[in-house]
Amino acid sequence: EPEVTQTPSHQVTQMGQEVILRCVPISNHLYFYWYRQILGQKVEFLVSFYNNEISEKSEIFDDQFSVERPDGSNFTLKIRSTKLEDSAMYFCASSVTVEAFFGQGTRLTVV
Amino acid sequence: RKEVEQDPGPFNVPEGATVAFNCTYSNSASQSFFWYRQDCRKEPKLLMSVYSSGNEDGRFTAQLNRASQYISLLIRDSKLSDSATYLCVVNPRAAGNKLTFGGGTRVLVKP
Repeated sequence: EPEVTQTPSHQVTQMGQEVILRCVPISNHLYFYWYRQILGQKVEFLVSFYNNEISEKSEIFDDQFSVERPDGSNFTLKIRSTKLEDSAMYFCASSVTVEAFFGQGTRLTVV
Repeated sequence: RKEVEQDPGPFNVPEGATVAFNCTYSNSASQSFFWYRQDCRKEPKLLMSVYSSGNEDGRFTAQLNRASQYISLLIRDSKLSDSATYLCVVNPRAAGNKLTFGGGTRVLVKP
């Protein structure tokens, strides 16, 4: 069964450093997303990406964040100058229409 | 009012029993509705989409009430493996595929 894969599964970084989270969406999917979940809180939408551009973003997705699809298979989330409050589980998802399928997540810990 | 609201539980359910819970949503223009399941520190997994006519998938039945703006999930013959957090998820508008998550309802099935 096709699945969304994310790497790394866990990333520890120092405050102020840049991190890149990587995702390989399901191959025939058209929409790609990043969501995050702070421990004990609900899943929150960050950004959606379609046709090689951002189609929608939330208030959380400020200038600190960027997304890229560098080739035909990868989809990345870059967080510049990480803050302690960026510590969370980051989920990549992909979809054909609205039904989204999620990767196993990257746990980001900012120290 | 929260966009998607759920009773956090936990719902303690004897094995073999039936459990049901609801979720309310605030945006009357919402188009698509889903139940996802999330195990502790794992990714959300699509359980089922919720259609206007209601739908059933094995032991799981989902209903949508547009007039009162709620969806429901019923689990029959509960198994120990049904223990999880059930996430109510809404696509709040016709344009854009962003998903809005509720905080989840925790279900604990006990022998």
